[in-house]
Amino acid sequence: QKEVEQNSGPLSVPEGAIASLNCTYSDRGSQSFFWYRQYSGKSPELIMSIYSNGDKEDGRFTAQLNKASQYVSLLIRDSQPSDSATYLCAVTPENDYKLSFGAGTTVTVRA
Amino acid sequence: DARVTQTPRHKVTEMGQEVTMRCQPILGHNTVFWYRQTMMQGLELLAYFRNRAPLDDSGMPKDRFSAEMPDATLATLKIQPSEPRDSAVYFCASGTGTANEKLFFGSGTQLSVL
Repeated sequence: QKEVEQNSGPLSVPEGAIASLNCTYSDRGSQSFFWYRQYSGKSPELIMSIYSNGDKEDGRFTAQLNKASQYVSLLIRDSQPSDSATYLCAVTPENDYKLSFGAGTTVTVRA
Repeated sequence: DARVTQTPRHKVTEMGQEVTMRCQPILGHNTVFWYRQTMMQGLELLAYFRNRAPLDDSGMPKDRFSAEMPDATLATLKIQPSEPRDSAVYFCASGTGTANEKLFFGSGTQLSVL
């Protein structure tokens, strides 16, 4: 079992819709959770971080964490063509700095 | 803007040659990570350092790969000898070493081994 698994893509949504991305992790002691966005040919950039159960909102992005279910999600509201990218879920295990990434979900927003 | 600097951006080499990739972390960051990205495997952690000391290099093929931090401003990743299966994008990332580590990535080195 991979440490971090993401729902397979690609995900295509119309402009203005909500894009929903899911991620599960295997290490129950994981402490930090991140969503990175990677445009084609570019490096990953951090867009959201979440550390405790519940929701965290930042503009059009909402991250949700459920440690009991070992589940992290990212919602992109009012999707824009500029949101078209690959979204990577990343997790840091307990008492460690190592950041493990999921395979990524590619999102395409149709104008 | 502070950023992680990687060189070279692109490298084409022949099988068997030595490849050296360099990374300058953000000033003040004390953790440095090397990742390799391919379509098949995604982002794989090769090695990482804290305060220049290697913490984990279990993701690296030991017989051909080596990673070092000669000083706080330079991290290197070497492949000797290189093989076609090493073709990938290699990313360096640095962080502050806090409990909730946020990483900042360099632009990557696109390596092609022919």
